[in-house]
Parts: sequence; C-alpha cells; structure tokens
Amino acid sequence: RKEVEQDPGPFNVPEGATVAFNCTYSNSASQSFFWYRQDCRKEPKLLMSVYSSGNEDGRFTAQLNRASQYISLLIRDSKLSDSATYLCVTGDDMRFGAGTRLTVKP
Amino acid sequence: DAGVIQSPRHEVTEMGQEVTLRCKPISGHDYLFWYRQTMMRGLELLIYFNNNVPIDDSGMPEDRFSAKMPNASFSTLKIQPSEPRDSAVYFCASSLGSGKQFFGPGTRLTVL
Repeated sequence: RKEVEQDPGPFNVPEGATVAFNCTYSNSASQSFFWYRQDCRKEPKLLMSVYSSGNEDGRFTAQLNRASQYISLLIRDSKLSDSATYLCVTGDDMRFGAGTRLTVKP
Repeated sequence: DAGVIQSPRHEVTEMGQEVTLRCKPISGHDYLFWYRQTMMRGLELLIYFNNNVPIDDSGMPEDRFSAKMPNASFSTLKIQPSEPRDSAVYFCASSLGSGKQFFGPGTRLTVL
C-alpha cells in the first residue's frame, strides 16, 4: 500500500460547483499535513496547511480525520483558475500523494 | 526575495553522460529536499538535508545518484552514468524547519 493515496481523478466540474478531495495516509504517527497545488509544467506551490481542528482559507477548507487517517480539501464556488493538480503531503516524512487533477469548466 | 533557484532549467543528454543539477535554497532555510517527478511514479523524495547534513537518502534510486550540500546556499544532484529511465523533472525544495516547503522551478531532464 502506498504511504499517501489520492484519487487521481480527473474531476471535471462546472464553475461555481463545490468539489472535495480526500487523501489517505498510512503513517499513523504523522503530525503535519499540507495541500499543494501544481499547475501544468510548473512546480508545486503550498496551498494550505491542515490543522487538527480544520481550517479555512477563503473558498478552501481543509480537514483532518486522525481516526480514519485521511485529510480532505473542499473547494467552494469553483473558479476556472482552480484547474490544477492538488497534492497532499505528510510533512513529517515528506510523502506526497500522486495528486488529484481538477478541471473547472465554464 | 528570491525563491529556490535551480539550474539548468532544461537538460538534454545522451545515455552514459554525467548530469549535474544545481540548487540554491531560500536564504535562512535549514532543510533542503530533492524530488523527482514522473507521470508514472508521481513526486518522489530522493534525499533531504538538514543544516547541510544528509538525513534520509533512502529514496535515491541507486548508486548512480549522489547528492551533496557543501554549504547552506548550494546543493547538487549528480547522475553518473545517466540512463533514459532517469528522464524526469527534478525539483529542489527548501524549508525552515520540517514544515512548509518551497519548490524551485525544476530541471527537466531528458536522457536519450
């Protein structure tokens, strides 16, 4: 089993939709988690950290479920510019998921 | 402020040649990471340094790969000899502490 697993997608959603991605991790000792965004042929860029109590940044909400060992990312009111690949990572051992590709269509 | 700087941005070489990739981390960052990204395997951690000392190199695929960090502002990843299966995008990233990482633009390597 891979250490960090994500549904590769693609997720194709219309503008304005709400979309959610999950990411499961196998290392139960993991303490820190992040979501990154990667545009085509570009480097990954930090989107947001994931805190135990859940956290929000504008249209983006990240949550952590330690019991089931997964983190989630919710994007509300999707914009065309949200089209990208979203990568989750366990910060303690730097294991990235393979990424979930999102395409937001007009 | 300058971000992570990598060079070259693109490298095309022939099988058997030596390849050296370079990275300058963000000033003040104490962690430096080397990753490889391919369609098949995604983003893989190769090695990381803390205060210029290699901490975990378990991701280095084989002895053909080596990495050094002679000082806090410079690191190299060397492949010798290179093989076509080494073709990938190689990213360098740095962080302050073991948290949020900032990636360089990557080096796109093609081995013919």
